[in-house]
Amino acid sequence: TQLLEQSPQFLSIQEGENLTVYCNSSSVFSSLQWYRQEPGEGPVLLVTVVTGGEVKKLKRLTFQFGDARKDSSLHITAAQPGDTGLYLCAGDIAGNMLTFGGGTRLMVKP
Amino acid sequence: DAGITQSPRHKVTETGTPVTLRCHQTENHRYMYWYRQDPGHGLRLIHYSYGVKDTDKGEVSDGYSVSRSKTEDFLLTLESATSSQTSVYFCAIRSGFNTEAFFGQGTRLTVV
Repeated sequence: TQLLEQSPQFLSIQEGENLTVYCNSSSVFSSLQWYRQEPGEGPVLLVTVVTGGEVKKLKRLTFQFGDARKDSSLHITAAQPGDTGLYLCAGDIAGNMLTFGGGTRLMVKP
Repeated sequence: DAGITQSPRHKVTETGTPVTLRCHQTENHRYMYWYRQDPGHGLRLIHYSYGVKDTDKGEVSDGYSVSRSKTEDFLLTLESATSSQTSVYFCAIRSGFNTEAFFGQGTRLTVV
């Protein structure tokens, strides 16, 4: 069982739809990060959330850190085919042991 | 792009043989990580390093060892490769706690 549980694992939607991806844990994290990975590449950081209740926006992407700092969500408004990819949440535990969730594979159809 | 390279990029090896993967950085970052990525499992941490000669186990360390004799190099060794170690291996670096992790391009390892 992974420390960070992501849901859903897979998501296939039409262009223009909204979606939310969740990242949950029973542990408290000092921060959570979201990464996006394209085929054949390493993950690339989208955002880091540090404060409980924090909301950050990156164009059509909205990231939220739970008040108790145990969970986070990623909401995409009006998804586009360019949003297709693997979305991963990650957090620091026991110092600098950066651990990842299982990932959400998103496909946005034109 | 962060200066991080993995070698080799692809490798096919036989069961029971030793294999060493190399991660090299030019950023002088303190922390280095080895992950494996398999379908449905995201990235799982194998080992990480917080300085020269300072390493610790991650979530899936059995069957793997690491060494870091210089800041810039972090080696991952499979002492006796098994088919269950067929995977894509990623190295990552970062400067500190809560900071961005930069990833290499990955090494696709196949154990036959």
